Amino acid sequence: SAVISQKPSRDICQRGTSLTIQCQVDSQVTMMFWYRQQPGQSLTLIATANQGSEATYESGFVIDKFPISRPNLTFSTLTVSNMSPEDSSIYLCSVAWELGIGGWDGYTFGSGTRLTVV
Amino acid sequence: QKEVEQDPGPLSVPEGAIVSLNCTYSNSAFQYFMWYRQYSRKGPELLMYTYSSGNKEDGRFTAQVDKSSKYISLFIRDSQPSDSATYLCAKRGMDSSYKLIFGSGTRLLVRP
Repeated sequence: SAVISQKPSRDICQRGTSLTIQCQVDSQVTMMFWYRQQPGQSLTLIATANQGSEATYESGFVIDKFPISRPNLTFSTLTVSNMSPEDSSIYLCSVAWELGIGGWDGYTFGSGTRLTVV
Repeated sequence: QKEVEQDPGPLSVPEGAIVSLNCTYSNSAFQYFMWYRQYSRKGPELLMYTYSSGNKEDGRFTAQVDKSSKYISLFIRDSQPSDSATYLCAKRGMDSSYKLIFGSGTRLLVRP
């Protein structure tokens, strides 16, 4: 499976500012995803990061608020723009990899970025 | 109704107990199911995955799927304090998005 390095691990930001989170993978992967995990809640998919094209966003998430870049098969960034306290959450990068049975069967997560907006 | 429902707990058991964690799902357009374990301040790590109905065993862990009742379970035998974590069930459909849908997670505490 792939190893993911995500940074920063945590940050405290002022409302109205933006934060860019980086996700570096130790091998080339086709599928990369960004999730949000609000305090005490489960994971919600924000978007699929597509290499060479615009990210695919889930309902309730828009590009202006969460712009995503994917310049190559090992790296992606998520920006949380014009932050408000409601954006305080853990943001996680994830990649899909094959378990050998066929299709994208395994999903590895980074350790997450804990964001607090004050 | 959420696609994957999971009791949030917390569930507290003594060391050595058998733990049963459960999820139900509502959409039949599934491909397979996974169980993740998440320690505090860490990302989720894949514990087990299963494609079909029945049981799948890996060491102290057994994953069980009952497609007729849309019920998935994770059993932990001889539970250890190091098993204390949040356990998340997830399912993935066979569409092209490869999107995972997670339950809310069950927090487990194994008391020494």
